[in-house]
Parts: sequence; C-alpha cells; structure tokens
Amino acid sequence: TQLLEQSPQFLSIQEGENLTVYCNSSSVFSSLQWYRQEPGEGPVLLVTVVTGGEVKKLKRLTFQFGDARKDSSLHITAAQPGDTGLYLCAGVWSGNTGKLIFGQGTTLQVKP
Amino acid sequence: GAVVSQHPSRVICKSGTSVKIECRSLDFQATTMFWYRQFPKQSLMLMATSNEGSKATYEQGVEKDKFLINHASLTLSTLTVTSAHPEDSSFYICSASATTGVQFFGPGTRLTVL
Repeated sequence: TQLLEQSPQFLSIQEGENLTVYCNSSSVFSSLQWYRQEPGEGPVLLVTVVTGGEVKKLKRLTFQFGDARKDSSLHITAAQPGDTGLYLCAGVWSGNTGKLIFGQGTTLQVKP
Repeated sequence: GAVVSQHPSRVICKSGTSVKIECRSLDFQATTMFWYRQFPKQSLMLMATSNEGSKATYEQGVEKDKFLINHASLTLSTLTVTSAHPEDSSFYICSASATTGVQFFGPGTRLTVL
C-alpha cells in the first residue's frame, strides 16, 4: 500500500513568517501534486512536479520534488492571511492507473 | 482550465433514503472519473474509480452496493448513496481526467443525513 506522510498536520503562524510543509513516502511516485482547498470547496491544483530534484515557484510558494521522487516540500515565504487553507499533497504511483494518493493534509492558519 | 461541476452542492435527507450526486465534465471528455469522500479537517479518501462504460473499481472497505456508481457517458458520472444513514454524512468530491491523466476536481457535495 502506498502511503504519503504529510507534516505538520496543523500550523498556526503570524503574518510574515515562513513555513515549510513536508510530504514523504517510501514509494517512488511518477508525479506529485500540491493542492489547496478552501472550506466547502474542492481542491485546486497548485503545481505538479515530475522530475526528481525539480523546483517550481509560484509567487511566494516554492515546491520541490526529492531526487529519488519519494518526497516533496512546499515552502511559503512571508505568509499572508490569504494563504490560510488546507494544503494537500497527492502522488501518482506508477502502475496504479492514475489514482491519486493523498497525504493527510496540512491546515494552515495565518493570523494578521 | 478544465471545469468539473457537481450537483447538488448540498443535500439533506432522512435516514433510509437514497441520494444521487452528479459529476459532470463541462468542457472535456473524461475517460476516468474518481469519487472521494472527506470528513471535517481530514484529507480526501478515494472511494472508487470509474471508467466510461464499465463497472467501477472500489477501494478496499467501500461497499459497492451502498455506493452505486454509474459512468454512462464521457461527461457524466453519478454516485448514489443507498439507504443513507447519519454516518454517511460527509463531503463527497468527484474528479475527472482525460487521456493526460491530470485530475480536475469538482466543488464537492455536502451530504447530511438526519
């Protein structure tokens, strides 16, 4: 069974602080996605990483895929209250017909 | 980007009744649709995978006779929760993917069983 361990599960910080969310697995994933979800809505795709060692930036968000394609991180610089939400990593395991395996999620609260 | 809709967005029903939730891909043909459920402050849990014109594949622990899935066309899949009970109350989310494999998520349906 492929599992994605996401940490931390809850994070409450002040506006302007930096934070990092981690996603780890013992399995090699063919790709990994990061989503953000608002209460009562579906997840919205932020980024997809495919290549080991890949780094992608989306404004103040930096995503990294581990060299071995078993782990990933999301770093937010100078967090703002608008960043508040549930962040989810999800991996596609090669050979599982495209099923997404989700991490436990990280609930982020950024206080003004 | 691709748009996926769900209907209804919220439904409240009495225990013992059945509820149907629709998932539509509005601007692309979805060869595969996925159904997830999500409890408060938790992540998404995959319930089943459905391919157009064939039977759905259910994840371990998901009762196929309780959660009926029909994927009749390349743009529509339905999830019917049969004989719903309060423990079935949850947020149900579908996603749709085309040949690229990228999944696009619907806005979710909040089911409350009284």
